[in-house]
Amino acid sequence: SAVISQKPSRDICQRGTSLTIQCQVDSQVTMMFWYRQQPGQSLTLIATANQGSEATYESGFVIDKFPISRPNLTFSTLTVSNLSPEDSSIYLCSVANPNEKLFFGSGTQLSVL
Amino acid sequence: GEDVEQSLFLSVREGDSSVINCTYTDSSSTYLYWYKQEPGAGLQLLTYIFSNMDMKQDQRLTVLLNKKDKHLSLRIADTQTGDSAIYFCAERSGGGYQKVTFGTGTKLQVIP
Repeated sequence: SAVISQKPSRDICQRGTSLTIQCQVDSQVTMMFWYRQQPGQSLTLIATANQGSEATYESGFVIDKFPISRPNLTFSTLTVSNLSPEDSSIYLCSVANPNEKLFFGSGTQLSVL
Repeated sequence: GEDVEQSLFLSVREGDSSVINCTYTDSSSTYLYWYKQEPGAGLQLLTYIFSNMDMKQDQRLTVLLNKKDKHLSLRIADTQTGDSAIYFCAERSGGGYQKVTFGTGTKLQVIP
């Protein structure tokens, strides 16, 4: 199984600032995904981080708000920009190779004041 | 788009079996997963099943899949207080994109 390190584990940010979340995997993976889990809710896919090209965003999520980098097959970042209290959620990185299991990092708990 | 539904809450007594149900709509599903989330923690993969299987057993966990009815269940035998958590089912679509869609989550409460 893949070991995923996600940083920071939690942060408290001011309205209008940005937070960048890092996801590091201990092996090369084809697919990296970013999910959001709002309080008391299920997981919603934000985007698929593609190595060497732009991320693929789901409906309702845009690059200006959630820019993503994927410089290589073991690392990705998600930035949540221009923060508002509505962005307070857990953000989770997940990884998979095609037709294999999906593994998750421990998540980043973001609170926006 | 794809839709995955679960009941929101289940309460069982310690030592009994728990059965958590899930329905999905995507007929191209390749894998179906069960994840456990404890308070303040990330998601832990419990087990998964290929869409061409009917059943999978892993120690206290039994997964049943009815592909015709698009129904998935997770049975936990001899439920313990440590099993109290939220359980998410998820389905992975086929094809190149292989998007994973999560259910709403079922909160399992185990009564001592």
